[in-house]
Amino acid sequence: EVKVLESGGGLVQPGESLRLSCAASGFTFSMYAISWVRQAPGEGLEWVCAISGRGDVTYYGDSLKDRVTISRDNFKNTVYLQMNTLRAADTAVYFCAKGLGPYGSNPSDYWGQGTPVTVSS
Amino acid sequence: QAVVTQEPSLTVSPGGTVTLTCGSSTGAVTSGRYPYWFQQKPGQAPKLLISDVSNRHSWTPARFSGSLLGGKAALTLSGAQPEDEADYYCLLSYNGAGVFGGGTKLTVL
Repeated sequence: EVKVLESGGGLVQPGESLRLSCAASGFTFSMYAISWVRQAPGEGLEWVCAISGRGDVTYYGDSLKDRVTISRDNFKNTVYLQMNTLRAADTAVYFCAKGLGPYGSNPSDYWGQGTPVTVSS
Repeated sequence: QAVVTQEPSLTVSPGGTVTLTCGSSTGAVTSGRYPYWFQQKPGQAPKLLISDVSNRHSWTPARFSGSLLGGKAALTLSGAQPEDEADYYCLLSYNGAGVFGGGTKLTVL
């Protein structure tokens, strides 16, 4: 059974950093790209970034690319999203999702339930 | 960054047919934008319906189909069911970076 689980969200103050984790199981982890998508309260989906299965290619959206870094540890079956200089506008639920193959930036068939991030003083 | 446009809301009668569209500010949507369609219900994670224009998956009801139509990606629902009431998002790829549309709130009424 495929499982995807995000963690690391919480309440942080503006300007602080946070690292989210996405742990997965039930498939050959290194063979699939992983994406991060966020959703602000009451708003639509926003694609954040993605990383290839081997970690050799990364993709970033324009709105966050200067403040986030995606990485993965295929021994731990985990992808990380490092977010820096957080702002109130970064308040959202952050989802990670498995891709359909080793490359490509699209979230696909398996998603976690999301981890909430609140940026507030 | 490119802007992806969707109808904010649509209504369909039970058993009826409706087409949702997905346009790009950069021009016509082609297969090279790898359009994906997702369904999201309140409190749930999005669910993939269609990938790469028209590829359905094993969990995708046959009443959903994807296509390119008039320079846009399109999702057609034929024979709407009450459980199809949800938000629908398209996703296009721009040189490896994804951009979601604003979503279409579909009401089955």
